[in-house]
Amino acid sequence: AQKVTQAQTEISVVEKEDVTLDCVYETRDTTYYLFWYKQPPSGELVFLIRRNSFDEQNEISGRYSWNFQKSTSSFNFTITASQVVDSAVYFCALSTTGGFKTIFGAGTRLFVKA
Amino acid sequence: EAQVTQNPRYLITVTGKKLTVTCSQNMNHEYMSWYRQDPGLGLRQIYYSMNVEVTDKGDVPEGYKVSRKEKRNFPLILESPSPNQTSLYFCASRYGGGPYEQYFGPGTRLTVT
Repeated sequence: AQKVTQAQTEISVVEKEDVTLDCVYETRDTTYYLFWYKQPPSGELVFLIRRNSFDEQNEISGRYSWNFQKSTSSFNFTITASQVVDSAVYFCALSTTGGFKTIFGAGTRLFVKA
Repeated sequence: EAQVTQNPRYLITVTGKKLTVTCSQNMNHEYMSWYRQDPGLGLRQIYYSMNVEVTDKGDVPEGYKVSRKEKRNFPLILESPSPNQTSLYFCASRYGGGPYEQYFGPGTRLTVT
């Protein structure tokens, strides 16, 4: 069975703090894809990043960075120097070979206070 | 502009009254999917479609029907809605399976009384 766990339900930080959102996944497939999506207060869902199971290279995009570790089945997301505009619900998702089914985690609600 | 549209955006209905939520995409994507979002549960997949006339169940298909007669449209049908189907519904499309990200519609908030 496939599963995505985001153990942090809510996180509250003060602006400029760094924050890491955890994502742990379970799958028996050897080829799979991991995603992060952002849902701001306006409600839309926005794609942030994709990682495939063969690429463990970490990625940085501006203030965002992602740490993929197959050994611990984790795909964590770090926001450096958080801003109020980062306040949103963040979802981690898993898509497996053939990839027609997608499993989402329960989401982590991030509050960034000014 | 590439987009996924859903209608209606908000709907309040009564138990047992059939309803359809429409979904349309203009990106010529083969794959489309419906999700429901509930507090503490994230997004759960209801049904998905790999192409015209090809659909399959997701994790929570009970009480829902879908059809895919045209590539661009993927309506969600609730033949006899019940209060436990009160939720926020999202339609999504993607180019194909596997590594492709999904593009989501704006959501439909459904209340069944």
